[in-house]
Parts: sequence; C-alpha cells; structure tokens
Amino acid sequence: GAVVSQHPSRVICKSGTSVKIECRSLDFQATTMFWYRQFPKKSLMLMATSNEGSKATYEQGVEKDKFLINHASLTLSTLTVTSAHPEDSSFYICSAANRKAWDTQYFGPGTRLTVL
Amino acid sequence: TQLLEQSPQFLSIQEGENLTVYCNSSSVFSSLQWYRQEPGEGPVLLVTVVTGGEVKKLKRLTFQFGDARKDSSLHITAAQPGDTGLYLCARGGGATNKLIFGTGTLLAVQP
Repeated sequence: GAVVSQHPSRVICKSGTSVKIECRSLDFQATTMFWYRQFPKKSLMLMATSNEGSKATYEQGVEKDKFLINHASLTLSTLTVTSAHPEDSSFYICSAANRKAWDTQYFGPGTRLTVL
Repeated sequence: TQLLEQSPQFLSIQEGENLTVYCNSSSVFSSLQWYRQEPGEGPVLLVTVVTGGEVKKLKRLTFQFGDARKDSSLHITAAQPGDTGLYLCARGGGATNKLIFGTGTLLAVQP
C-alpha cells in the first residue's frame, strides 16, 4: 500500500504555544487528506477533511480557529494546534487518499501531542 | 456521532482461544472495512467487504458481512499474542467521502 508519514511522532509543548504536525504522502498524490483525533483506548474521531488547494471542511464541534489545517500541495497537509491547552493532548492521525473515495485512505503512524 | 457500535468493548483472552467481534448499525451500508491498530501506530486495513452475506478469510481471521448489510463480524481462531490490538470497523459516510469508525474493540491476548 501507499506510504503516509507524520512528523513529529511525539511532541511535548507548554500551554499557550502552537504546534504544527505534518502529514506527507510519500509515493502518491493525495487529493484529499483527513485528520483524526484519538483518545486512549478509544476509536478515531474525524476532525476535518482537506482537499488540495481549498479550505478544509471541519466536523461539527471542531474549532477551525483552534485547529488550523493547510493542504497546500498534493503531498503535504499540516495541522496546527494553536494556543494549546492540556485538554488538546491526544493522538492525532492523518490519512491520505488519491481520489475522493472513503475506502482508499492510507493512514499515517500518528503524532502523540502532550500539552503541559 | 458514532454510527457503528462494536461489541465487546474490551476482551482479554488466553492464547489459543477463539473470539468474535461484532459491528452493528441501524442503517444499511454499501461496504465495510475492518482495521487493526497497535498502540502508538495508525490503523492498518485488514479487509473490505462489499456484498451482503460475503465471507472473507485472512489466515486465522474470518470476516462476515450480514445479509442485510447492517452488521459485520470478525472471528479469530486460535488467537495469538500478536493479535493484540484495537479492532475497528469503518464505513463510508453516505454521500460524502468521509470514513466513519466504529466504537472499537480492544483485544488483549495473554500468552
């Protein structure tokens, strides 16, 4: 299958700072990327869908000013957690698809964010 | 909102035992996927089932899609410690391209 990477794999930051997480599709062009959030031992919750070159579509309850998503190229999407708080601590996972089909998503390895 | 309910939520068994995980929905869906996720990693696709009544086998794992396409099951025969992980079913979000995950089943296989 296709390879998707995330960077960093782990990050610890102080409250009030911003953190950027990168999601890269290494061997295919990702027209659509998805960002998920996962709490310990729980399922994945979709945060937003981003299509290359356009604004992200956020799920209900997700603050778009808090979680800034940029999908500037067909191989890179970024999630920036602004003014981070301890409750933002979580496991963030991205996935990428090279066509607008939900069943062709390739998942990244995730990023563990800890906000002190 | 989770539209897919999985049961059991947690399962701890001994190596060699068999188990079944269920994924249920109140609505019909065109196809369904099963994933396994290990701690600190992203989910890995195991199988996609598309036809009502379909059965697929992947070594010791057997996946079944209900006749009415409202439910699915995953059966593991002779579980091994390497089967430990979070098992997730997932379906497409109707007219959108979103993936909706089930509530998850956390499996621990003790040696």
